[in-house]
Amino acid sequence: DAGVIQSPRHEVTEMGQEVTLRCKPISGHNSLFWYRQTMMRGLELLIYFNNNVPIDDSGMPEDRFSAKMPNASFSTLKIQPSEPRDSAVYFCASSFRGLFSYEQYFGPGTRLTVT
Amino acid sequence: GQQLNQSPQSMFIQEGEDVSMNCTSSSIFNTWLWYKQDPGEGPVLLIALYKAGELTSNGRLTAQFGITRKDSFLNISASIPSDVGIYFCAGTGTASKLTFGTGTRLQVTL
Repeated sequence: DAGVIQSPRHEVTEMGQEVTLRCKPISGHNSLFWYRQTMMRGLELLIYFNNNVPIDDSGMPEDRFSAKMPNASFSTLKIQPSEPRDSAVYFCASSFRGLFSYEQYFGPGTRLTVT
Repeated sequence: GQQLNQSPQSMFIQEGEDVSMNCTSSSIFNTWLWYKQDPGEGPVLLIALYKAGELTSNGRLTAQFGITRKDSFLNISASIPSDVGIYFCAGTGTASKLTFGTGTRLQVTL
């Protein structure tokens, strides 16, 4: 079975440009999470969706970041305009949120470099 | 907010040795998960724990949900070179989202 799919795997862009990261969760999962990982701050939750609805976006750094989930099989994380401090690895994860399950399955990540 | 402290931060061991690492929380957790991350990849779920005192194994890995619900332990028996990586604990407390630990970097020498 396919796991979480993310694209692109690597993105290099110049400061000020718009960046869009894409994620396809595992089929049948009803929750989707976007994380950012850096050496300094570790893994940080940016936003998560349940049944395509944003539940908690308190981790989104600022208004330059936005995320959408138009349907159960696709989500995007957009940064506009991008800044060098946004350089990090961005992970998407999905889970099936039943009564007792919090198990999240991660994609391979998108390594973003903003110059 | 909830914080998770992992220890040790890093460890160097010889192939064949057993490994122990732990994770402690400042508050009660209801779920503990252990992940492993290889370079250039996303974290991979190893073990999930849902009940205080629970002991669960996955091959050479064994994890325990601490009785106080504020800690969890991961043991790896007879380590091999492919055990190299960063191990993260994660848990949920009063919030429904996962909080991740800072990671334990494991290196195995032959």
